[in-house]
Amino acid sequence: AQKVTQTQTSISVMEKTTVTMDCVYETQDSSYFLFWYKQTASGEIVFLIRQDSYKKENATVGHYSLNFQKPKSSIGLIITATQIEDSAVYFCAMREGDTGYQNFYFGKGTSLTVIP
Amino acid sequence: EAAVTQSPRSKVAVTGGKVTLSCHQTNNHDYMYWYRQDTGHGLRLIHYSYVADSTEKGDIPDGYKASRPSQENFSLILELASLSQTAVYFCASSLDRGNTGQLYFGEGSKLTVL
Repeated sequence: AQKVTQTQTSISVMEKTTVTMDCVYETQDSSYFLFWYKQTASGEIVFLIRQDSYKKENATVGHYSLNFQKPKSSIGLIITATQIEDSAVYFCAMREGDTGYQNFYFGKGTSLTVIP
Repeated sequence: EAAVTQSPRSKVAVTGGKVTLSCHQTNNHDYMYWYRQDTGHGLRLIHYSYVADSTEKGDIPDGYKASRPSQENFSLILELASLSQTAVYFCASSLDRGNTGQLYFGEGSKLTVL
């Protein structure tokens, strides 16, 4: 079963608007860690932002923020004031904290196109 | 600057041939990983390692071997390459489990098996 699911395959938005990308996850662990990564057209994958399951406050880094809804097992990525260079594929990932198995489970990605 | 570097960046191999993908990190991280990326599948874990001279199987280890001769180096070995192993391979590193830090990725290695 897919542990991390991104239902939006692709999204197009106008420059300078706000976009939200959805992600739901599945885990039995009491602690876990959620991440968003960005893959540029060149293939480079970079870390954007993380949310630890025990933290109630939504994480914010620059113009990236998270909408963490623990009861819904949901971690949405919000990009405000989008820029052309935000066009990329965004991956949601989860790392479970209780087990000894070291893996980051990735969603299949959401392709974002920012239109000038 | 801390980094994860992969070589080769691109390779064409023949079916049945041996392929070795290499990864070097200067992050001083304990954990290293090999992921495979296929269109529509996201990233899937092949092998990982948390200490030199030891490797662990990930979700899709069949057809792959891994080697971690030192903390800095981690290789992925395809003894008998097959068409289905055509993909982009990413190496990554992270701090130890207690830190549960994020992954730092290499640039990727595009493998085409003909």
